[in-house]
Amino acid sequence: DIQMTQSPSSVSASVGDRVTITCRASQGISSWLAWYQQKPGKAPQLLIYAASSLQSGVPSRFSGSGSGTDFTLTISSLQPEDFATYYCQQASSFPLTFGGGTKVEIK
Amino acid sequence: EVQLLESGENLVQPGGSLRLSCAVSGFTFNYYAMSWVRQAPGKGLEWVSGISGGGGTTYYADSVKGRFTISRDNSKNTLYLQMNSLRAEDTAVYYCAKVPDIVLVPGAGAPWFDPWGQGTLVIVSS
Repeated sequence: DIQMTQSPSSVSASVGDRVTITCRASQGISSWLAWYQQKPGKAPQLLIYAASSLQSGVPSRFSGSGSGTDFTLTISSLQPEDFATYYCQQASSFPLTFGGGTKVEIK
Repeated sequence: EVQLLESGENLVQPGGSLRLSCAVSGFTFNYYAMSWVRQAPGKGLEWVSGISGGGGTTYYADSVKGRFTISRDNSKNTLYLQMNSLRAEDTAVYYCAKVPDIVLVPGAGAPWFDPWGQGTLVIVSS
């Protein structure tokens, strides 16, 4: 199975800050990676697919980059509604696996 | 508007069985693969199972293979997950999710999930 490791596990940031979350795959997955946002008590929502493609309706302050084993989700200017937990998911092979999550908290 | 609605909360004893349902609307159901993803309380996400748009191909995580069966009724726009031999570690919120492709093929097409249902809590406890 491909293991997905996210870092940090949590980050404290202020509104307006630039936030970067990293996801590392245990083996190369090309660009087969997605990012999700989950707010407490709610279902996850797709933000980024194919490592860098922005899902329709997602604000442009979210961006994704990377290929192979190392990937990044960047929030260019953190907004109040962005405080949530973020997950990466590899889409390269079965079983589909997720990272452990990164909680973005208010500083 | 695309909507996915799972069945309500459920409590079952270890070793018992349960069937989850996910009723969908707002898109042509048989054109899209579907999946189930679960989340244990306070934990991360775990992919459980997937099924092609026609229902002929299914996929399972090793943790549920042989115990869970995914199926769909395209005439009723409904996805199912039959769960047998339930264990305490199966306790989780179960989400159904749409795959933006007719098949779920890692490394090809669109093997991610959008949108997700609101989730249904399954508790396995005596």
